[in-house]
Amino acid sequence: DTAVSQTPKYLVTQMGNDKSIKCEQNLGHDTMYWYKQDSKKFLKIMFSYNNKELIINETVPNRFSPKSPDKAHLNLHINSLELGDSAVYFCASSQGVAGGLEEETQYFGPGTRLLVL
Amino acid sequence: GENVEQHPSTLSVQEGDSAVIKCTYSDSASNYFPWYKQELGKRPQLIIDIRSNVGEKKDQRIAVTLNKTAKHFSLHITETQPEDSAVYFCAPGQAGTASKLTFGTGTRLQVTL
Repeated sequence: DTAVSQTPKYLVTQMGNDKSIKCEQNLGHDTMYWYKQDSKKFLKIMFSYNNKELIINETVPNRFSPKSPDKAHLNLHINSLELGDSAVYFCASSQGVAGGLEEETQYFGPGTRLLVL
Repeated sequence: GENVEQHPSTLSVQEGDSAVIKCTYSDSASNYFPWYKQELGKRPQLIIDIRSNVGEKKDQRIAVTLNKTAKHFSLHITETQPEDSAVYFCAPGQAGTASKLTFGTGTRLQVTL
């Protein structure tokens, strides 16, 4: 019955490896997001997709590539992992249609804790 | 881009006291003002939000006030309880198809017995 789910929950890997994080939402939302939360708890948006179309693409190294196979899924692939990529990555979703406040609410997944050694 | 500052960065109150966290933003186009709560090891969750055409909103023990002229909004928690202990983030932005929220630096609230 989970609204926004992510896999894996934990990811420990070596520098230089390539890894993917998967995200799925069963809320029927049109918009999905990826955020990065560093060790100081700063929460920064990386990407946003609306109906499988890239809407927001912040200044993120091109080693990070989001992929949205359908509007319920937004995956994040990271190439050539670096030590500085260690963080918690949160996926989120929202209805994404201007209107009532409830449509703006972003629902976050449980997070994926990535540790690059 | 939007510059967002939160004050204070840490706040310790005794149970039953009130807590106020202030968020200052720079983008005058921002029209949506949410507050998120993140408990230790958990995901951020929305606790209250308002739009720019509303000056204040209250939901039980929490309230948000907005001063659009001065570009700041505040979270007010009354009768604090230990379960209010968490990191609180403001995230002003523009409502729309893909709301781009800029999260503040967070305020760690500790409610002591």
